[in-house]
Amino acid sequence: NAGVTQTPKFRVLKTGQSMTLLCAQDMNHEYMYWYRQDPGMGLRLIHYSVGEGTTAKGEVPDGYNVSRLKKQNFLLGLESAAPSQTSVYFCASRSQVNTEAFFGQGTRLTVV
Amino acid sequence: QKEVEQDPGPLSVPEGAIVSLNCTYSNSAFQYFMWYRQYSRKGPELLMYTYSSGNKEDGRFTAQVDKSSKYISLFIRDSQPSDSATYLCAFTGSGSARQLTFGSGTQLTVLP
Repeated sequence: NAGVTQTPKFRVLKTGQSMTLLCAQDMNHEYMYWYRQDPGMGLRLIHYSVGEGTTAKGEVPDGYNVSRLKKQNFLLGLESAAPSQTSVYFCASRSQVNTEAFFGQGTRLTVV
Repeated sequence: QKEVEQDPGPLSVPEGAIVSLNCTYSNSAFQYFMWYRQYSRKGPELLMYTYSSGNKEDGRFTAQVDKSSKYISLFIRDSQPSDSATYLCAFTGSGSARQLTFGSGTQLTVLP
């Protein structure tokens, strides 16, 4: 049982480049989330989704877009990367009825 | 004022010590109180959660919630080197997506 899988695990981008981070879960969870983790700041919510075809902004959405075309996948896009987006990105999923959120292993992104 | 305040540490204790980790929060809408453990370069994993004031025990771990003071704690008895990790308090309300709000994390090292 894979749980939550993030692709890629590491990436280095140049300022202005674009990329997409993929999150896939095999637990049939309704809710999915994208967080970023920076030193001393904990995990901050970027965007989230309560179901296929729906997305909503979190605490720090600027510079990111998301899509959830399939229930099991949640994509995070950076259209024009900036050094301030250097961070570790975590995807998480949760079922409607349970409190526990399951996290992926993270994607370490460096923007130079 | 931040919604959640957590002492970042780092905290270093000898094996066998009792560890106390604490968070304060300001949002009265928080209804679920959680502790996540995050090993280095891994995603967070749920350690314990509760939704009421009082204590909840699970083996060597005790979660304590005081809603009137908006204060939660995690106690680790007989700490082990394998407990070395970052501990994140997390909170969620009753909204439909119930997204998690995290503390900044306390880095704990248990020395053998």
